[in-house]
Amino acid sequence: KNEVEQSPQNLTAQEGEFITINCSYSVGISALHWLQQHPGGGIVSLFMLSSGKKKHGRLIATINIQEKHSSLHITASHPRDSAVYICAPSRNRDDKIIFGKGTRLHILP
Amino acid sequence: NAGVTQTPKFQVLKTGQSMTLQCAQDMNHEYMSWYRQDPGMGLRLIHYSVGAGITDQGEVPNGYNVSRSTTEDFPLRLLSAAPSQTSVYFCASRGPGQGASGYTFGSGTRLTVV
Repeated sequence: KNEVEQSPQNLTAQEGEFITINCSYSVGISALHWLQQHPGGGIVSLFMLSSGKKKHGRLIATINIQEKHSSLHITASHPRDSAVYICAPSRNRDDKIIFGKGTRLHILP
Repeated sequence: NAGVTQTPKFQVLKTGQSMTLQCAQDMNHEYMSWYRQDPGMGLRLIHYSVGAGITDQGEVPNGYNVSRSTTEDFPLRLLSAAPSQTSVYFCASRGPGQGASGYTFGSGTRLTVV
């Protein structure tokens, strides 16, 4: 069983829609990262969080440690948000980061 | 600009050849790591280092060697390339503790072994 599960795997939405990407994990973690990978391949760290909620522009990340669940929300989505979003918790026992398989998001104009 | 620099961006090797992927960071990060990314799979950890002189194996270390002689550099060596090592490779560094802003990734190296 994968230690990190993301849903959905693929998501297509219209410009302006509210987007939610979910991440569930089965291990104890010290922190959770959300990463963005654009079609060109580069990976950018969006958030690192260990509790509660963080906001940066139109992006919001939340985490519920008890439920082992995190969500990434995008408000007023735009075609430039089209990318793969990757959930990556850091395991408590060895501080290694483990990666979900990513959610491929496509925003239509 | 501060960040993680990976070279080369693209490389084609013949089976059995050796090469070194370079990774350098100028943020004085202690933690550095190498990942490979294959279609349909998440990023997988190859090797990592928590500081100069210290390295350890990740999830998929076979066929790869690393060294960390300085804080800045963390090269990844393929001693005898195999087609199964065709992949996109990313180097990343991380600042210390929970206060860090997260990982900084290099731009990746696309490696093809024929």
